Amino acid sequence: DQQVKQNSPSLSVQEGRISILNCDYTNSMFDYFLWYKKYPAEGPTFLISISSIKDKNEDGRFTVFLNKSAKHLSLHIVPSQPGDSAVYFCAAPPSNTGKLIFGQGTTLQVKP
Amino acid sequence: EAGVTQSPTHLIKTRGQQATLRCSPISGHTSVYWYQQALGLGLQFLLWYDEGEERNRGNFPPRFSGRQFPNYSSELNVNALELEDSALYLCASSPAGRRPYGELFFGEGSRLTVL
Repeated sequence: DQQVKQNSPSLSVQEGRISILNCDYTNSMFDYFLWYKKYPAEGPTFLISISSIKDKNEDGRFTVFLNKSAKHLSLHIVPSQPGDSAVYFCAAPPSNTGKLIFGQGTTLQVKP
Repeated sequence: EAGVTQSPTHLIKTRGQQATLRCSPISGHTSVYWYQQALGLGLQFLLWYDEGEERNRGNFPPRFSGRQFPNYSSELNVNALELEDSALYLCASSPAGRRPYGELFFGEGSRLTVL
């Protein structure tokens, strides 16, 4: 049962444009969501998070939007830069389990 | 400040053998987590240790086990290796009692290849 899904394996955008990465979840009990970025040969690094009491969280070029009714979140990167090329994972932590449930990841390529 | 360190970087084993992977958390972090990333798949939760105790484990067979030492470092053992155990094994750490769970600090991983 894949509780967190990223249906787009890859995305390619031009430098300077907006990148939108999508994530859907099935468990309405999730109350916190995170995005991680992973470069090849490196471990994932935390990017941005959002609590379910909010519908938007912004950190510089990165904004995460949460639509609870649709069980959908998205990560916007504006403007996109070649250094943003990486695999992006969305994740959710079921309460008190100590674990994160990750989506399959979306590979973003930003072309110069 | 040193990040999460894992060893070995790469490990090649044959079916039926045992593999041991090691992890040192960030100084001051008491929780250690293990994840498996098989080819083409997302990260799958394996184990969570906190204060030397196993707190939770994912849907993996008992062949996957581990422990956490008094200095909070951890090792993951995989017995009776199977071909499908070939994957990147990621260790992460977090400070004790940090809520909500989720903002983990990952190491670079150990690539296990089973032939």
